[in-house]
Amino acid sequence: GDSVTQMEGPVTLSEEAFLTINCTYTATGYPSLFWYVQYPGEGLQLLLKATKADDKGSNKGFEATYRKETTSFHLEKGSVQVSDSAVYFCALHGGGGYQKVTFGIGTKLQVIP
Amino acid sequence: GAVVSQHPSWVICKSGTSVKIECRSLDFQATTMFWYRQFPKQSLMLMATSNEGSKATYEQGVEKDKFLINHASLTLSTLTVTSAHPEDSSFYICSAEGLAGRQETQYFGPGTRLLVL
Repeated sequence: GDSVTQMEGPVTLSEEAFLTINCTYTATGYPSLFWYVQYPGEGLQLLLKATKADDKGSNKGFEATYRKETTSFHLEKGSVQVSDSAVYFCALHGGGGYQKVTFGIGTKLQVIP
Repeated sequence: GAVVSQHPSWVICKSGTSVKIECRSLDFQATTMFWYRQFPKQSLMLMATSNEGSKATYEQGVEKDKFLINHASLTLSTLTVTSAHPEDSSFYICSAEGLAGRQETQYFGPGTRLLVL
């Protein structure tokens, strides 16, 4: 079945540091890939997505590229801020004809001033 | 953009009572809605898929008689936790599938936190 493997946190960075959160997946068919963010006490918000190989999703300074050859969708940001502190979930949707979202375990990011 | 609401956002109840959680798509019609459960420091686990006008499809290990799902209209799905117990305390999140441009996209609600005493 579909699965998403995500690096376990927590990840602690100083403000303005470079961020990478690794995500790899296994899926049948051609899934769409997502990054969701969950701020403390809130629900999930879609951060960015990519629907086919080599697509790059970007939003709020975050980027991720759909790499079919390495089955990866790593999240990056060049300069993190304290307000980026949250839990980040990598997810895949679809592929194989069954339209359910499979989530990774989530990576907690803490940015310190 | 598309919005999904959940009500209530917080509920505290006594053991043995039933709790109903509503999920509404506010500006689009959703033929399919999903219910997830999130335990502390864990990922979301899909509980069931709900299609308007038909019975929900439950994931393996989810008790359909305990977690009743009704999808009566294209904008409303409800999850009822029957005879709730402390182990049912969790964060319940719904999502609704709708069109964003020409592509089906899932939109997530803000979640409902349930605490069973």
